[in-house]
Amino acid sequence: DSGVTQTPKHLITATGQRVTLRCSPRSGDLSVYWYQQSLDQGLQFLIQYYNGEERAKGNILERFSAQQFPDLHSELNLSSLELGDSALYFCASSGGTGGKAGNNEQFFGPGTRLTVL
Amino acid sequence: AQKITQTQPGMFVQEKEAVTLDCTYDTSDPSYGLFWYKQPSSGEMIFLIYQGSYDQQNATEGRYSLNFQKARKSANLVISASQLGDSAMYFCAMRASGFQKLVFGTGTRLLVSP
Repeated sequence: DSGVTQTPKHLITATGQRVTLRCSPRSGDLSVYWYQQSLDQGLQFLIQYYNGEERAKGNILERFSAQQFPDLHSELNLSSLELGDSALYFCASSGGTGGKAGNNEQFFGPGTRLTVL
Repeated sequence: AQKITQTQPGMFVQEKEAVTLDCTYDTSDPSYGLFWYKQPSSGEMIFLIYQGSYDQQNATEGRYSLNFQKARKSANLVISASQLGDSAMYFCAMRASGFQKLVFGTGTRLLVSP
């Protein structure tokens, strides 16, 4: 158990809909990252937040947005969903203690599997 | 730009044998970190091992070791004494200094047979 929690575990929705994925980082971690894993694109970085502020952006679509709240949990909002958005969405956190690689290690949550029909 | 290349889509190994999973990387940053993650069929990403670009010795973690050849820009994962539970996808990833994100390779699927 990495200490990172993600809800829901599975999400099935229709094209055009909007969903919210939730992530709680490990205790003590200030950074949260969102990654998308799809068959087409592989594992891609979407966005990073650090202590409530956006720190870096990757290949995140304009239809997607994220935020990190004062209690450090984060939400990824996906809107106007398309079939191609079906993927496994991971949240990861870092910055605290206890990892084997010091503060370099990113601890991954179990992922949310999104299916768009 | 940073790039990770894993040229082996799939690898087969017999139980108790050693196996090497290849990873080459490209970055112009002198300070970077290299990671290996395991993804079993259940989907979670499990951290295995880390190598910093300035680390003098190759990283080891139990049955996992990282064969780091800086001049060749390679960071191969060696799994000794393979076990059936090692069957999974393995991803090599890199993080360059100043960038927190991980850049992943396409992965290698390892199948361990009895």
